[in-house]
Amino acid sequence: DTAVSQTPKYLVTQMGNDKSIKCEQNLGHDTMYWYKQDSKKFLKIMFSYNNKELIINETVPNRFSPKSPDKAHLNLHINSLELGDSAVYFCASSHSRVANYGYTFGSGTRLTVV
Amino acid sequence: AQKITQTQPGMFVQEKEAVTLDCTYDTSDPSYGLFWYKQPSSGEMIFLIYQGSYDQQNATEGRYSLNFQKARKSANLVISASQLGDSAMYFCAMSLSGGYNKLIFGAGTRLAVHP
Repeated sequence: DTAVSQTPKYLVTQMGNDKSIKCEQNLGHDTMYWYKQDSKKFLKIMFSYNNKELIINETVPNRFSPKSPDKAHLNLHINSLELGDSAVYFCASSHSRVANYGYTFGSGTRLTVV
Repeated sequence: AQKITQTQPGMFVQEKEAVTLDCTYDTSDPSYGLFWYKQPSSGEMIFLIYQGSYDQQNATEGRYSLNFQKARKSANLVISASQLGDSAMYFCAMSLSGGYNKLIFGAGTRLAVHP
């Protein structure tokens, strides 16, 4: 009965590969997000979807492509992985696209590119 | 530009003592929310407390309280009666009314609770 679940939890892959991270929430939230946490623990938003509509698209290389088949799912596909993509990727969800509602985070996916 | 600043990279406190983690923010938006999250060594992000910009009273959640000083643009987290399990990274974050609920995070403060 996990609220926001991400798979896989760990991902080790070689440079140049393509990989996907999946996220699902069962909270009935209408907005989902992808955040990247770098090696210095800094968290930065990458994308946000509201009811399957892309509403935030930060300056992210176009090798990263989010997909939201429905409001409960938000996946992240990464093409041609680079060493600098190594990070922890967090999925999150919230009630509303309007501010002041907190997020519920997934447990994170630690991506290591070798 | 909207920004969150946490000036303490690391803090330590004795068990059972209180500790204050500093957070200052910068925004010209009159409507915003301030959050604190805890990230233990296991890596998950745990929501602790929320303060709205129009809230008259400081938020409290159990041992956590948020010392909100609007004029100074500060939103410090106070943890009372520290426990060993409070050792973690703590992140201050801000959301804006016109920002599609985008959370902007500070760099974090690592808290160590000593027995």
